[in-house]
Amino acid sequence: EVQLVQSGGGLVNPGRSLRLSCTASGFSFSIHPMIWFRQAPGKGLEWVGLIGSTPYGGRPEYAASVQGRFSISRDDSKSVAYLQMNSLKTEDTAMYYCARDADRNGAYYFDFWGQGTLVAVSS
Amino acid sequence: EIVMTQSPATLSVSPGERATLSCTASQSVGSNLAWYQQKPGQAPRLLIHGASTRATGIPARFSGGGSGTQFTLAITGLQSEDFAVYYCHQYNNWPPGTFGQGTKVEIK
Repeated sequence: EVQLVQSGGGLVNPGRSLRLSCTASGFSFSIHPMIWFRQAPGKGLEWVGLIGSTPYGGRPEYAASVQGRFSISRDDSKSVAYLQMNSLKTEDTAMYYCARDADRNGAYYFDFWGQGTLVAVSS
Repeated sequence: EIVMTQSPATLSVSPGERATLSCTASQSVGSNLAWYQQKPGQAPRLLIHGASTRATGIPARFSGGGSGTQFTLAITGLQSEDFAVYYCHQYNNWPPGTFGQGTKVEIK
């Protein structure tokens, strides 16, 4: 059974850092791109960034709103994707989701999602 | 940026009836469109990709259609578990792709 289990998150002050984890099981983790989304309270879904599959170089890409502050990495030996969030702003407050790209080559739709983890940035 | 507009914002439907949701793209996205269902407190769930292909395990009462700029999601014989928010997502220009603002299907 494919599962994505998220951890990390919590309440932090503006300017601080936080790291989210997304632990995968039930599939060949290294061959799938992994994506991070967020959803501000009562709002819609926003793409945050992605990391490509390892066979295709594992390159990260980021939304303009987080470029330079957030970084995404993966540890295939542990089947974990990470979202490192630095210089957090109040507008980063949201539920964060990791998701699996449905295809190793990049289908660009997402067939399994983590349960979400809440990040609240407030002084 | 491609803007995705969903209508209506809220759809009130009685159980057993049919619901039709619309999604309009500001420019053509071909068939590169997916639909997701999200229930309160849960992650989104993939329903449809390629505009009309049901994802694995999705019941046949869900059907997607359209191409280019106009898309629909139809749900026939609405069941209690279908009351949720539905998002369309274009991935023609991925990343970043864009989501619609969502349509809430509520019990009438």
